[in-house]
Amino acid sequence: EVQLVETGGGLIQPGGSLRLSCAASGFTVSSSYMSWVRQAPGKGLEWVSVIYSGDSTFYADSVKGRFTISRDTSKNTLNLQMNSLRAGDTAVYYCARAALQNYFDYWGQGTLVTVSS
Amino acid sequence: EIVMTQSPATLSVSPGERATLSCRASQSVSSNLAWYQQKPGQAPRLLIYGASTRATGIPARFSGSGAGTEFTLTISSLQSEDFAVYYCQQYNNWPPLTFGGGTKVEIK
Repeated sequence: EVQLVETGGGLIQPGGSLRLSCAASGFTVSSSYMSWVRQAPGKGLEWVSVIYSGDSTFYADSVKGRFTISRDTSKNTLNLQMNSLRAGDTAVYYCARAALQNYFDYWGQGTLVTVSS
Repeated sequence: EIVMTQSPATLSVSPGERATLSCRASQSVSSNLAWYQQKPGQAPRLLIYGASTRATGIPARFSGSGAGTEFTLTISSLQSEDFAVYYCQQYNNWPPLTFGGGTKVEIK
């Protein structure tokens, strides 16, 4: 059974850093397209970043240069290092596995990141 | 960036009735369009991919149609568990992967 479990969310001051992790089971993260998708309170879904074969990565313009996506193959986890956090980054962050063509067939339960002083 | 526009923002439907949700892309996405359902406090769930293929375990009352720039999600006979927010997402041209703003299906 495929499962994704995110951890690492919390309350952080503007300008701070946070690292999210997503533990995967039932499949191998290193052989999948993996994304982070976020949802601000009461708002819609926003794609954040993707990592795929050969550790290729892409980012939304809103986080480029501040966030870094990575994989830990030994732990079968997906990570998101978030630096220079802003109030606008406040959201529930979901990790999601992308099927062959980058639609998301499995999602984690999400972890809440709140950026506030 | 491909902009996805969903309409209406809110749809009020009685149980047992049909619901028709629309999604429009700012340029052609071929059939590379997915639909998701999200209930309060839960992660989104994949319903439809390839514009019209139901994901595993999705009831037959959910159907998707369309290609190019115009897409429709139809729920043939709404059940109580279907009241939720629905999102479309294109994966034809990326990055970025883009979602529509969502349609909330509420009880009339």
